[in-house]
Parts: sequence; C-alpha cells; structure tokens
Amino acid sequence: AQSVTQLDSQVPVFEEAPVELRCNYSSSVSVYLFWYVQYPNQGLQLLLKYLSGSTLVKGINGFEAEFNKSQTSFHLRKPSVHISDTAEYFCAVSVGWSGGFKTIFGAGTRLFVKA
Amino acid sequence: GAVVSQHPSWVICKSGTSVKIECRSLDFQATTMFWYRQFPKQSLMLMATSNEGSKATYEQGVEKDKFLINHASLTLSTLTVTSAHPEDSSFYICSAKRGVDTGELFFGEGSRLTVL
Repeated sequence: AQSVTQLDSQVPVFEEAPVELRCNYSSSVSVYLFWYVQYPNQGLQLLLKYLSGSTLVKGINGFEAEFNKSQTSFHLRKPSVHISDTAEYFCAVSVGWSGGFKTIFGAGTRLFVKA
Repeated sequence: GAVVSQHPSWVICKSGTSVKIECRSLDFQATTMFWYRQFPKQSLMLMATSNEGSKATYEQGVEKDKFLINHASLTLSTLTVTSAHPEDSSFYICSAKRGVDTGELFFGEGSRLTVL
C-alpha cells in the first residue's frame, strides 16, 4: 500500500530565512509527486510536480523540490520565505491503478512565517 | 487554464435541511471529479469519486444516501448533503482531472458548511 508522510506538522520560521518541508513516501510502483499549498478557507493550489526527467523541480512562488528515489523523498524548499508563504502545504503522490490514478495526500505541514 | 469553481463558498443551514454544493470546471471537460471533506487542521479525506454519466464511487465509511453526488455533465458535479446535522459541518472541496491523466488535480475554492 502507498503512503505519504510529512514529517513536520508545523514549521515556524522567520521571514527571509530558508525553509525545508519534508515529505517521504512509500510505494512499490512508480509514482508522480506533487506539492500543493492551501491558504485559509481556500482550496488547494499546485506548487510543483515531478512526473519524470530532472529530479530538481521548480515551482511557483520561488519553491523547488528534489525527488530522491533512493530515499523515497520529495522535500520542498525555499531559500527565503515571506510572510505571505504562511499556509498549509500538502505533499501528494499519485499511483496508477486500473481506474486511472489515485492520489494520496500527506497530513499537511503548517508553515508559519514570523516577522 | 484548468479553473475549477465551487459554489457556494459559505453556507449556513438549519438542522434537517438539505444543502447542494456545485463544482464546475470552467475551461475544460472533467470526466472525473473528486469530493473531499476537510476537518480543521487536518488533511483532505476523499469522500467519493464522481464520474460523468455514472454513479459515484464512495469511499468506505461515507454514507451514499447522506452525501448524494451527481455528475450530469462534463463540467458539473454536485454534492448534496441531505438532512444535514451539526456533525456535517465541515469544509468540502472538489477537484477535477484534466487531459492526460497524471494524477494532477485542479481544486475548487472549497465550501464551508455550517449546520445550526
């Protein structure tokens, strides 16, 4: 069975500091990987995705993530955060099955950027 | 592109009434849509998969008679919470797939239901 583990439920960080949100997954088959961001009382928005190719993926708002197959990780990073980055971040994997792809979400990491 | 819109964003209703939430794909056709429920500070819980022109597939533990899903067209899926009770109060989110299926999802803005 597939699973997604976001290792930190909350990450407080000062403005302009770097941040890393960790995500590990388990799967016996190939997966596609995603990071979504959710602002309060809103739906989810795609930050970035890894489908194939380069393992370093760049997304919106200055975020990037690196796919590490041997460590089954897909950590999200930003070199300098802003107050506006305060939000909930979800790591997700999609795995193929007979009906298409099934998406599994992590529990989420709340990033709190302090002034 | 790939815009998904939910309506209403907020709804308050009395216990015992039914509430309908709409999920529309505005600029693409969505043969498959998903409905989620999200409790405060928690992840998304998949409730059901909605396929255009066929019955929805519900996840284990989700009452299909309580949460009616209709996907009558390629751009519209609706979730009706029947005989709502305070415990049904939650944030409901829909998502849709577009084009070549890679598992990428496009989400609506969410609908917050409060049952008094």
